[in-house]
Amino acid sequence: GAGVSQSPSNKVTEKGKDVELRCDPISGHTALYWYRQSLGQGLEFLIYFQGNSAPDKSGLPSDRFSAERTGGSVSTLTIQRTQQEDSAVYLCASSLAIASGSFYNEQFFGPGTRLTVL
Amino acid sequence: GENVEQHPSTLSVQEGDSAVIKCTYSDSASNYFPWYKQELGKRPQLIIDIRSNVGEKKDQRIAVTLNKTAKHFSLHITETQPEDSAVYFCAASILEYGNKLVFGAGTILRVKS
Repeated sequence: GAGVSQSPSNKVTEKGKDVELRCDPISGHTALYWYRQSLGQGLEFLIYFQGNSAPDKSGLPSDRFSAERTGGSVSTLTIQRTQQEDSAVYLCASSLAIASGSFYNEQFFGPGTRLTVL
Repeated sequence: GENVEQHPSTLSVQEGDSAVIKCTYSDSASNYFPWYKQELGKRPQLIIDIRSNVGEKKDQRIAVTLNKTAKHFSLHITETQPEDSAVYFCAASILEYGNKLVFGAGTILRVKS
């Protein structure tokens, strides 16, 4: 079936503008994660959703970052008043479930949105 | 919070040789350790994972070992091939706390033919 999709694939914006990044998880996946990958760096956790609720927002860098998930499916990451340090690839991942005894914890990643703030 | 360190940052091996990448973690509560492979311009893909109740797991040419006492885990690739060239990331998480992955900085593996 279809994998995780993200849009746009590339986004160039001017400093101070707001941007919205979209993630479509694999159908039926209850858990959804956002990560950020800066150039040549590892992946940094931002936020995760279990259904529509976000139990852990601890990775969001500042209050300019927010995310929501509706209908247990699509998620949107919003960055307000973008800064040059926000430039990175934003990756979304989804997994079927989160459970210590479950075998379905594999996180499937989307292709990412490359954000460039000029 | 959890901190994961990964070494080496780059690794060059001759085709057919073995490659070993090592990671250490700080939080003894971590119980899930996946490894991801990311080819240039592509998304990370899971290649193998291990839980804390297992010491070793193998899948064809790939194996992962976990030492809970020392808080380190390693990826072993045998009989390397040019298509193994990629960036490899280790990660650690606590499944009961949402399974948010804390990643190492990555290892660039180059397999020379």
